[in-house]
Amino acid sequence: GQNIDQPTEMTATEGAIVQINCTYQTSGFNGLFWYQQHAGEAPTFLSYNVLDGLEEKGRFSSFLSRSKGYSYLLLKELQMKDSASYLCAANQAGTALIFGKGTTLSVSS
Amino acid sequence: DTGVSQDPRHKITKRGQNVTFRCDPISEHNRLYWYRQTLGQGPEFLTYFQNEAQLEKSRLLSDRFSAERPKGSFSTLEIQRTEQGDSAMYLCASSPGLAGGFSRQYFGPGTRLTVL
Repeated sequence: GQNIDQPTEMTATEGAIVQINCTYQTSGFNGLFWYQQHAGEAPTFLSYNVLDGLEEKGRFSSFLSRSKGYSYLLLKELQMKDSASYLCAANQAGTALIFGKGTTLSVSS
Repeated sequence: DTGVSQDPRHKITKRGQNVTFRCDPISEHNRLYWYRQTLGQGPEFLTYFQNEAQLEKSRLLSDRFSAERPKGSFSTLEIQRTEQGDSAMYLCASSPGLAGGFSRQYFGPGTRLTVL
């Protein structure tokens, strides 16, 4: 079967670091995406991992372990504008994305 | 690059009516996807086109749903005999569709459907 699991909610304070975990089980795995979605808006691309390891892009980093079916998104120096839903999505053989339910992150001052 | 556009942005209809949504992908993107998203959930895949060919349909796509991409550019999603359970945000995405490689999907703003 196909399954993407991530925590429903997380809270953090400005300036802190937060790690959002994602575990996945899919057939024909072809990479792991992270998207950010503000309320009422379209998802926007954050990162993509297909090989094991850490990809760093500014304040955001993403990690993948294919053998463990595990990924995380690391957000550093949190800002209020980072309050959003973070979606983990597995790419199936280059076609559809299978999304998790999303993790709602609330950043407080 | 004007991004993916969708029309209308909001649609309110009565149960039993038919509705049609349009998606204009980023020009020269040959792959186009439709997803549905309900409150508190991630987007769920509905269907996918490579140029004008509809290559994959989810089991979520009942017989009341039909999608077309007649000239390999814009796409339409029609829902016939709408039901209250069809109320959701309908998202369109496009990608360059690089075979075997990384192919980021770019999402449109969505069409929010409310069925009364």
